[in-house]
Amino acid sequence: AQSVTQLDSQVPVFEEAPVELRCNYSSSVSVYLFWYVQYPNQGLQLLLKYLSGSTLVKGINGFEAEFNKSQTSFHLRKPSVHISDTAEYFCAVSGEAGTALIFGKGTTLSVSS
Amino acid sequence: DAGITQSPRYKITETGRQVTLMCHQTWSHSYMFWYRQDLGHGLRLIYYSAAADITDKGEVPDGYVVSRSKTENFPLTLESATRSQTSVYFCASLLAGVAEQYFGPGTRLTVT
Repeated sequence: AQSVTQLDSQVPVFEEAPVELRCNYSSSVSVYLFWYVQYPNQGLQLLLKYLSGSTLVKGINGFEAEFNKSQTSFHLRKPSVHISDTAEYFCAVSGEAGTALIFGKGTTLSVSS
Repeated sequence: DAGITQSPRYKITETGRQVTLMCHQTWSHSYMFWYRQDLGHGLRLIYYSAAADITDKGEVPDGYVVSRSKTENFPLTLESATRSQTSVYFCASLLAGVAEQYFGPGTRLTVT
């Protein structure tokens, strides 16, 4: 069975500081990995995805993530955050194409000035 | 417009009532999913469908019923709503052979 653990439930940071949101997964098969963002009272928006190939994945809004197979991790990073990045971030994993997503419990990123 | 839509966007209902949440997609994606989002739990899969007339249970199916008579529609019915079903419900669709799911805007359901 697959599972996802987001290691931090809340991450407070100051504007322009770097941030890393941590995600570990467990799976006995090859996986696809995703990060979604949810702004207050809105739906889910795909930030980035790892399907295959380069382990460093770049997404929207300046975010990037690195797939580390040996450590079963897919941490999300941004070198300099803005107030507008305040949101809930979800890491998710799926197996072969067509299977459902398994989500982590989410990390609340709060950016203050 | 193309995409995936959900209706209603907001719903308040009473305990014991039946309520149906609608999901419609215009891409002809074969796979569709229903998730619920609860604080501290992230999103959890309720039911999914691989094609018309093919549905299967997810992690939290109790109290819910789905049907899929047409590829583009995937309604979710709460047969007798309970307060524990107060949640935000998201529908998603997926093209066969592709990993990325596309999410609807969500339905916020409150059961009083």
